[in-house]
Amino acid sequence: EVQLVESGGGLVQPGGSLRLSCEASGITVSNDYMSWVRQAPGKGLEWVSVLYSGGSTYYTDSVKGRFSISRDNSKNTLYLQMNSVRAEDTAVYYCARGGNDCTSTHCYTWYFDFWGRGTLVTVSS
Amino acid sequence: QSVLTQPPSMSGAPGQRVTISCTGSSSNIGAGYDVHWYQQLPGTAPKLLIYGNKNRPAGVPDRFSGSKSGTSASLAITGLQAEDEADYYCQSYDSSLSGYYVFGTGTKVTVL
Repeated sequence: EVQLVESGGGLVQPGGSLRLSCEASGITVSNDYMSWVRQAPGKGLEWVSVLYSGGSTYYTDSVKGRFSISRDNSKNTLYLQMNSVRAEDTAVYYCARGGNDCTSTHCYTWYFDFWGRGTLVTVSS
Repeated sequence: QSVLTQPPSMSGAPGQRVTISCTGSSSNIGAGYDVHWYQQLPGTAPKLLIYGNKNRPAGVPDRFSGSKSGTSASLAITGLQAEDEADYYCQSYDSSLSGYYVFGTGTKVTVL
C-alpha cells in the first residue's frame, strides 16, 4: 500500500523559512517523479514543483528562486525548502507521486496517482 | 493562474448525468497532452479519477468516464449518487514557458 505522509507545516512569518517533508512507503521516491501541489484556503489546486528520478527539478514561476525540491533516498523522503515566504504561499501543501502507465500502443504520464493528506502552511505576522 | 477553464458549479438529482467541461489551449490540451481528472471530497486530499483522457484507475466506478477532443476534455458522471458530491479538477501538461503541470479551475458538483 502506498502512503505519503507530509509534515513540517505551521505558522511562519513573512520572509521566513520552512521545510516540508513527505515520507513515502510502498514506493521508492528515487525511482519515480514526485511533486508538490498546493491549495490555498477555499481555492483550487496549484502545481508547485516536480523532481524527476534523474534529478531534474522544475518550479512554477511564483516560487522560482525561493523554493527548492529535493529528496533523501536513504530516508525515502521528499522535501520542499521554502524560503522568503509570502502571505500568498499560505496553503495546504500536498505531496504527490507522478503516474506512469503503458498500454500496447500508448504510455500515459504527467499525472498524479497517489497523494498525501497534506500539511498546512500559514504565512502571517 | 489556472489555464484550464471549468464551470464553477454543476448540480443534478440522484440518477442523473452530469458532464463537466475542461477548456484549454494550443499549449496544453490542444498540443496533444493527455487530460486527467481528480475528485476532492470535502476536507480530503485529491484522488485520481481518470488518467490519460479516459482510463479509470482500479476501484473507480464505471459511472465516471472521460473524453478529449481538440482543446477540450469532459468528465461525465452517470447515475449520480450522493457520494459524488465533491470538487472535480482537470489537469494536463503545458509546454509554454510559464507552466508545466496545469490544473483546471475546479467544479463543485452538488447532488440535489
